[in-house]
Amino acid sequence: AQTVTQSQPEMSVQEAETVTLSCTYDTSESNYYLFWYKQPPSRQMILVIRQEAYKQQNATENRFSVNFQKAAKSFSLKISDSQLGDTAMYFCASRSGGGADGLTFGKGTHLIIQP
Amino acid sequence: GAGVSQTPSNKVTEKGKYVELRCDPISGHTALYWYRQSLGQGPEFLIYFQGTGAADDSGLPNDRFFAVRPEGSVSTLKIQRTERGDSAVYLCASSESSGMGEQYFGPGTRLTVT
Repeated sequence: AQTVTQSQPEMSVQEAETVTLSCTYDTSESNYYLFWYKQPPSRQMILVIRQEAYKQQNATENRFSVNFQKAAKSFSLKISDSQLGDTAMYFCASRSGGGADGLTFGKGTHLIIQP
Repeated sequence: GAGVSQTPSNKVTEKGKYVELRCDPISGHTALYWYRQSLGQGPEFLIYFQGTGAADDSGLPNDRFFAVRPEGSVSTLKIQRTERGDSAVYLCASSESSGMGEQYFGPGTRLTVT
């Protein structure tokens, strides 16, 4: 079984600042994948970034990057130059790499970008 | 191409009634997933289809919940004898195939049991 923990229920930063969202996970799998999803008030889950556990290099997508610490089972998301449109719930998720299993999600962090 | 669609967007029903929630995946996606998201929580996995068959239904909470995908495309989540605790947003996702295929989510159906 996999577990994902997000310890920050809510965060608030000023526009243009950099913010880091924390996530820790636990798994017995040797091959797995990690994800960050964004959920705006429209409820539509949008994939922000993903990381294959076997890759040492941290994934980057434009203003979004991750700090993947495999030994510590930590997977934080950094958002640079934050924008008002980044305001949303952010969920960390994991999935085993053996097949197409469902995702295991954390409880989420509500990120608020202040103008 | 259209994304994943779910109908209805909102459903209010009385305790004890039967409900059906529909998911139309992205055309050509063979994998389909159902999740349940309770208020203030992350989504919880319910069931996964590969084609017409349920490959993993380990997340279904009890036998009141059932899902079908008879032709390998549209899926219906069925809930019998609804209870107030079933109130949640039910999310559907689809992906191209097994493995690393990205899961694309629909907007969800908000179910309220009164």
